[in-house]
Amino acid sequence: DAGVTQSPTHLIKTRGQQVTLRCSPKSGHDTVSWYQQALGQGPQFIFQYYEEEERQRGNFPDRFSGHQFPNYSSELNVNALLLGDSALYLCASTTPGQGREGYTFGSGTRLTVV
Amino acid sequence: GQQVMQIPQYQHVQEGEDFTTYCNSSTTLSNIQWYKQRPGGHPVFLIQLVKSGEVKKQKRLTFQFGEAKKNSSLHITATQTTDVGTYFCALRAGTASKLTFGTGTRLQVTL
Repeated sequence: DAGVTQSPTHLIKTRGQQVTLRCSPKSGHDTVSWYQQALGQGPQFIFQYYEEEERQRGNFPDRFSGHQFPNYSSELNVNALLLGDSALYLCASTTPGQGREGYTFGSGTRLTVV
Repeated sequence: GQQVMQIPQYQHVQEGEDFTTYCNSSTTLSNIQWYKQRPGGHPVFLIQLVKSGEVKKQKRLTFQFGEAKKNSSLHITATQTTDVGTYFCALRAGTASKLTFGTGTRLQVTL
């Protein structure tokens, strides 16, 4: 049973560029959330997708956008990259009926903006 | 929104010593989850607590939810080097809803 898969694992981008990160949820999960984790900090919620719609959003600017596909996989897009966007981006999946099992996180994408 | 503070921020113990991290909130929590993140790794779900005064054990790990549901603790008995990592408590706002993570406690274990 595959866990959450994220790609790429590492990425280096220049300020002002755009980036797309990808996530495939754990088999049987239909809800995908994205988190940003700066070095030494706890993960911060970006947004959550369910049934191909953004259901919840954290305190992140509109430069952060996403998408969920019919197969439940998801993308996170960040436009006009800033140095401060350098972080580990984590994807987590679950399904509403399995809240007590917690979220399954992927290994993350380490984004460095130079 | 709700926030939780964790103490201590960092703890260094000798292998075999016990370790406890505390998660505190100023408001009543509906539930609390605990995650472990190894260095260079990703958060891994450990447990969820929902009932007042609840105590759950997983081998050497003991999790407690306070009677007032405003605090929680994770206690590790006889730490091992495999326990190294950052332990986060997290609040889940509702079923399949977002997680709000605590500040985390980084545990270092040496021989």
